[in-house]
Amino acid sequence: GAVVSQHPSWVICKSGTSVKIECRSLDFQATTMFWYRQFPKQSLMLMATSNEGSKATYEQGVEKDKFLINHASLTLSTLTVTSAHPEDSSFYICSARDDRDKDEQYFGPGTRLTVT
Amino acid sequence: QKEVEQDPGPLSVPEGAIVSLNCTYSNSAFQYFMWYRQYSRKGPELLMYTYSSGNKEDGRFTAQVDKSSKYISLFIRDSQPSDSATYLCATDGAEDSWGKLQFGAGTQVVVTP
Repeated sequence: GAVVSQHPSWVICKSGTSVKIECRSLDFQATTMFWYRQFPKQSLMLMATSNEGSKATYEQGVEKDKFLINHASLTLSTLTVTSAHPEDSSFYICSARDDRDKDEQYFGPGTRLTVT
Repeated sequence: QKEVEQDPGPLSVPEGAIVSLNCTYSNSAFQYFMWYRQYSRKGPELLMYTYSSGNKEDGRFTAQVDKSSKYISLFIRDSQPSDSATYLCATDGAEDSWGKLQFGAGTQVVVTP
């Protein structure tokens, strides 16, 4: 089956610094990827839709200047959490929609961010 | 009101029992319905995918969709301890938000040996 990877799987950073999370589709092309955030014992909340070659679209309440998304190629999207604060600590999960079958969406393993 | 409602549980069942999970949704435009399994600190894994109303069976798993009542269900037969996980329902298909999945809160299932 299709595989989506995320890097890093776990990161700890100090308050005020920026952290970049990568999402890669390993064996398929994905024009569209999605970024979700999940707090402990809560569901996944969609943050933004990442489109290759164009600007990301953000869900209501998500600060686009804080969560920078870059979708530079058909297999890579990055999420940069800028000036991170402890309340940004969460589990960030990406998904990638297979260009060959746009009904199929595959999730990455997630990245756990802890801001101290 | 959340678009997809799901009881977070936990739901504890003995090994071999049938696990019954369900969700309700509010937007009648939703057409695609999914069930995901998520182990602790891992990404969601797609279990079942159905379109419109009806039943779909895959091994020990059965998914049901009733669009008239906006109700979706997942049944796990002959449950095993390895089925212990959080199960998330999700919908997709509202015309203006294609691909943007709406998740339920997730139900934690514990299957005891």
